[in-house]
Amino acid sequence: KQEVTQIPAALSVPEGENLVLNCSFTDSAIYNLQWFRQDPGKGLTSLLLIQSSQREQTSGRLNASLDKSSGRSTLYIAASQPGDSATYLCAVLNDYKLSFGAGTTVTVRA
Amino acid sequence: NAGVTQTPKFQVLKTGQSMTLQCAQDMNHNSMYWYRQDPGMGLRLIYYSASEGTTDKGEVPNGYNVSRLNKREFSLRLESAAPSQTSVYFCASSGRAGTGELFFGEGSRLTVL
Repeated sequence: KQEVTQIPAALSVPEGENLVLNCSFTDSAIYNLQWFRQDPGKGLTSLLLIQSSQREQTSGRLNASLDKSSGRSTLYIAASQPGDSATYLCAVLNDYKLSFGAGTTVTVRA
Repeated sequence: NAGVTQTPKFQVLKTGQSMTLQCAQDMNHNSMYWYRQDPGMGLRLIYYSASEGTTDKGEVPNGYNVSRLNKREFSLRLESAAPSQTSVYFCASSGRAGTGELFFGEGSRLTVL
């Protein structure tokens, strides 16, 4: 059974600092890995999707890396802003089933 | 763009009552999913439908049934609600079964008393 872990569970940084969020998974036979953002009381918004054959994906200030062999992904958010405050979840896809981590709750202080 | 729409957004039930959560997507996606989100446990897959006409159990299917009514709609039914089913339920869809990016609805918050 796929186990997905996100550390830390919560993170508080001053505005302008770079964010580094970690995700690890136990079964490396994945199709892809997705990073999502969730605002309180809202649904999940897809941020980045990395296919299993890729090493990284970038979108604006966001960069996600994937190391399948070690079962790790890292989401980097450059020059954080208060609007980046949210919970960030990673999810890995095996055989139609997306397994989620519990998320990292980020607070960016103005 | 509506994307994935869930109804109702909030519902309170008494133990033993039944209800159906509705989900519709307008992205012409083949695959649809139902998840529940509980504090400290992340999101867990209840049921999924890889394509119209098929449904399969996920990680926590007990106490639920689903219907893939057509390509657009995927409903989740609780036949006899229990307090353990108090949760936030999310519907999602994907263009490519098993490999594609998932798009989520806003969620349905269910409380069972």
